[in-house]
Amino acid sequence: KAGVTQTPRYLIKTRGQQVTLSCSPISGHRSVSWYQQTPGQGLQFLFEYFSETQRNKGNFPGRFSGRQFSNSRSEMNVSTLELGDSALYLCASSGGTSRHYEQYFGPGTRLTVT
Amino acid sequence: AQSVTQPDIHITVSEGASLELRCNYSYGATPYLFWYVQSPGQGLQLLLKYFSGDTLVQGIKGFEAEFKRSQSSFNLRKPSVHWSDAAEYFCAVADRDDKIIFGKGTRLHILP
Repeated sequence: KAGVTQTPRYLIKTRGQQVTLSCSPISGHRSVSWYQQTPGQGLQFLFEYFSETQRNKGNFPGRFSGRQFSNSRSEMNVSTLELGDSALYLCASSGGTSRHYEQYFGPGTRLTVT
Repeated sequence: AQSVTQPDIHITVSEGASLELRCNYSYGATPYLFWYVQSPGQGLQLLLKYFSGDTLVQGIKGFEAEFKRSQSSFNLRKPSVHWSDAAEYFCAVADRDDKIIFGKGTRLHILP
């Protein structure tokens, strides 16, 4: 079974631009969560989508948004990029309806904002 | 608020030696606890999880962890480390809103 895939793997953007990251979950998984990982703040939860609905949200500004499609693929968008948005963005998928199923992580997208 | 503390930022052990990584959590109810490992340039891989039942849980790659409610701890152990175990290890707890809260991580270094 193919794992979680994230595209692109690396991205360089300029302050003020916007960016869209993509995540394809493991086949059959309906839940997709997004995390931001930085050296200073560690791993922080952004949001979770389940069956195209946002089920949970972390404490991030409205510049961070996401969506999920009917095939469970998910995208996250960051508008008006700031230098502090430079981070590794990780996507994780999980299967079944239980929220506590183990999460399978993708390799991440490394975003650099200059 | 729920939180996870990993008191050791870096740990160095010799290959073949035993390992214990510490994790303390703050959570009012019975916690759901996890240990993940992240190798450089990789995503996170789940090593093991505790939901209920036996407080000693076995995971992949020879790791185990023990849940101690009285100490609010969920320490990760391995009897004999291999050079390939060098990585960063994260303890995590699922909070009442089902969000996963991660500790800051412990980077494990292995001496040959």
